[in-house]
Amino acid sequence: NAGVTQTPKFQVLKTGQSMTLQCAQDMNHNSMYWYRQDPGMGLRLIYYSASEGTTDKGEVPNGYNVSRLNKREFSLRLESAAPSQTSVYFCASSVGTGGIYEQYFGPGTRLTVT
Amino acid sequence: QKEVEQNSGPLSVPEGAIASLNCTYSDRGSQSFFWYRQYSGKSPELIMFIYSNGDKEDGRFTAQLNKASQYVSLLIRDSQPSDSATYLCSAGWTNAGKSTFGDGTTLTVKP
Repeated sequence: NAGVTQTPKFQVLKTGQSMTLQCAQDMNHNSMYWYRQDPGMGLRLIYYSASEGTTDKGEVPNGYNVSRLNKREFSLRLESAAPSQTSVYFCASSVGTGGIYEQYFGPGTRLTVT
Repeated sequence: QKEVEQNSGPLSVPEGAIASLNCTYSDRGSQSFFWYRQYSGKSPELIMFIYSNGDKEDGRFTAQLNKASQYVSLLIRDSQPSDSATYLCSAGWTNAGKSTFGDGTTLTVKP
């Protein structure tokens, strides 16, 4: 099993450009997440999907959109990138066994917006 | 006030010592608590979770939960240099997948 995979690993964008970060999991998990992590800080939730076809805003959704394409894939789109979106982006998935949601993370995408 | 607060760190302990990492949370509705370890430049990985008051042990790691005090801790016994990492505390809700993370505490174990 590959677990949670993310593409690309690194990306440099100019202000105003758009891009989509891809995430896929092969663990048959229902829940998927997108986080951003700024230097020296914890993870902040951008969007969450409890199941295929549903999405919910997290703490910092402004400037982002998501698509839960199917059970495996959850993509994050930046429509018009800004320097404030320079960060490391992590995708995660979980299954709520007994109501406990252990999260499994992908390797991350390091995004720089100039 | 952040929903999940952790020791500001960094924390430095000698090899073989006990490292104590602390976390407080503000939402009394939080029901499950997680400790993740994150090596520099890597993604977080789950160490353990706890949802009942008291202690939970897994090898050299012990998680402690006190719901009355809204306090969670992680003890690492016989600390090794390979334990040097940032430790993230997270609070979640049973039957709801979302959780909130603290900013992390960086631990350095010196040989």
